[in-house]
Formats: sequence, structure tokens, C-alpha cells
Amino acid sequence: AQTVTQSQPEMSVQEAETVTLSCTYDTSESDYYLFWYKQPPSRQMILVIRQEAYKQQNATENRFSVNFQKAAKSFSLKISDSQLGDAAMYFCAYANGGSNYKLTFGKGTLLTVNP
Amino acid sequence: DSGVTQTPKHLITATGQRVTLRCSPRSGDLSVYWYQQSLDQGLQFLIQYYNGEERAKGNILERFSAQQFPDLHSELNLSSLELGDSALYFCASSVVGGPLREQYFGPGTRLTVT
Repeated sequence: AQTVTQSQPEMSVQEAETVTLSCTYDTSESDYYLFWYKQPPSRQMILVIRQEAYKQQNATENRFSVNFQKAAKSFSLKISDSQLGDAAMYFCAYANGGSNYKLTFGKGTLLTVNP
Repeated sequence: DSGVTQTPKHLITATGQRVTLRCSPRSGDLSVYWYQQSLDQGLQFLIQYYNGEERAKGNILERFSAQQFPDLHSELNLSSLELGDSALYFCASSVVGGPLREQYFGPGTRLTVT
């Protein structure tokens, strides 16, 4: 079974600074997908960024980028120019590439942004 | 707004009771997923339906059941409720097939069992 580990229960960053959230995963599959979801106090789950395992290039979405290290099974999220609205719980998630599309989540990292 | 709707937003009920949570997927999405978010277990996959048929099962209790109707909306039925069933229940939908694998989440239903 696949597992996702987020080793940082909480992180904090100063507004306008950069922060990196860590995620490691365990799988024997070669075809899979990785995601970062954001859950603000409203509890809505919002997709931040997605990475296909077969792509070597790291995904980027505006201020959000990932460092995908396939051999190390590591998938960290970098948030640049942090904003107050980035404060949220961030979840790393994994999905197989087969017909089972379920997401396996890590336990989350609570990010605080200090003004 | 993800385009996925869930009703009700909040539900308070007593132990032993039965409740039904409803989800309408995004227009065009054939697949619906149910997840449970609790303090103890985190976010857990419960069950997936695709075009009316069960596709995958996760850590779903036997007291829980789900179905997807011809109009693609889905219902999650929780029976013989226990205090530990108190949680936030999410529905998500996606397009099945192709490389995306993105799931779009509804706002959730907060269930409180007293």
C-alpha cells in the first residue's frame, strides 16, 4: 500500500519570504501522480499543484513550485513571496496511474504566515 | 467554487441514527469519490463510483454505504452512528481517463454525532 509522510506538522514563514514544505511517499508503482492540496480555515480543499511521475520537469504554478525527486521519493512544495492568504493546512497526496484513482493523503502541514 | 456541491453543510444527530449525505459532481465528471476527514484518522478515502458503478473501496465501514444515481449525483449513507463517526465528509469528482487525475472537492458536510 502507498503511504505519504509529511514530517513537519507546523511551519511558519514571514510574509514575502520563501518556505518549503516536505513530503515523502512510498510506492512500488512506476506510474503515479502527486498533488499538493491547500485547506484554508474555510475547510475547502483546493488543488495547488500536480506532478506526473513520468515527467522529469518540476511543476510550477505561479508562486508555487515543486521539487520532485523520484529516486528519493520526495515531493516538496516551495512557496515563494508568501502571502497572508497562503496560511492554511497543506496536504501532500498520491494517486496511482492505474484505474484506481483514489488519493492517499499525508497528515498535513499547518502553515502560518507572519506579517 | 469547485463546481462540486454537497448538502447539507452541517448535520447534528444522535448516536444510533442514520443520515444521508448528498453530492453533485462537476458537470461532465463521471467519477465521484467520498473522503472522511477526522482528527484521529486524517483524510481517508472511503469509496469511488464511476458512472453508477462502484470502482474502488477504501476504509469504509460496513455501516456506511454509497450509491451513484443515473443523473450522477451520489449519496453516502451512514447508519448506526457512533461518536467516532463525527467528521468532515468530502465528496470529490473527476474526469476518468487521460492524464489529469485531478479531483475537485466539494465544501464538505460536517457531521456531529452526539
